[in-house]
Amino acid sequence: DAGVTQSPTHLIKTRGQQVTLRCSPKSGHDTVSWYQQALGQGPQFIFQYYEEEERQRGNFPDRFSGHQFPNYSSELNVNALWLGDSALYLCASSLNHYEQYFGPGTRLTVT
Amino acid sequence: ELKVEQNPLFLSMQEGKNYTIYCNYSTTSDRLYWYRQDPGKSLESLFVLLSNGAVKQEGRLMASLDTKARLSTLHITAAVHDLSATYFCLLVFYNTDKLIFGTGTRLQVFP
Repeated sequence: DAGVTQSPTHLIKTRGQQVTLRCSPKSGHDTVSWYQQALGQGPQFIFQYYEEEERQRGNFPDRFSGHQFPNYSSELNVNALWLGDSALYLCASSLNHYEQYFGPGTRLTVT
Repeated sequence: ELKVEQNPLFLSMQEGKNYTIYCNYSTTSDRLYWYRQDPGKSLESLFVLLSNGAVKQEGRLMASLDTKARLSTLHITAAVHDLSATYFCLLVFYNTDKLIFGTGTRLQVFP
């Protein structure tokens, strides 16, 4: 049983560009949450998707958007990248609000 | 305001010693999780605590939850080097559907 997978593993972008990160949840899970973790900091909740809708959102600007597909996989899109968007982006899946399982993360570097 | 605080932020301890990490939160939470993160890696689930008085143990780690005091503890018994990592608590606040991580405790165990 594959766990949570994320792609790509690493990504380098330039300020102002747009990026899309992808996440496939653990088998049987229907909820996907996204987090941003800056170096040396704890993860910060971006948003959560359930039944293809954004159910909850943290304190992130509208530049951060997402989508959940019928197969429960999800995308995180970030527009107009800032240097401060450089971080590890973690996806977690769960069955509704139960225990969250984290993927390996995507490390985004904005230059 | 929803706040989750951990202390200490940094803990350096000798092998064989015992210590406790504390996770305090500001308002009622329905679920509390403990995670471990190794440098550059994703988060590994350690414990799920669902109700007042819950106690879970795995190896040298034991977690407990006191919902009246809004406090969870992660106790380390006879520390070994392999426990060196950063430990996070995560709370789900159902009245607001917010998911908030604690500040993290970086643990270093030395001989």
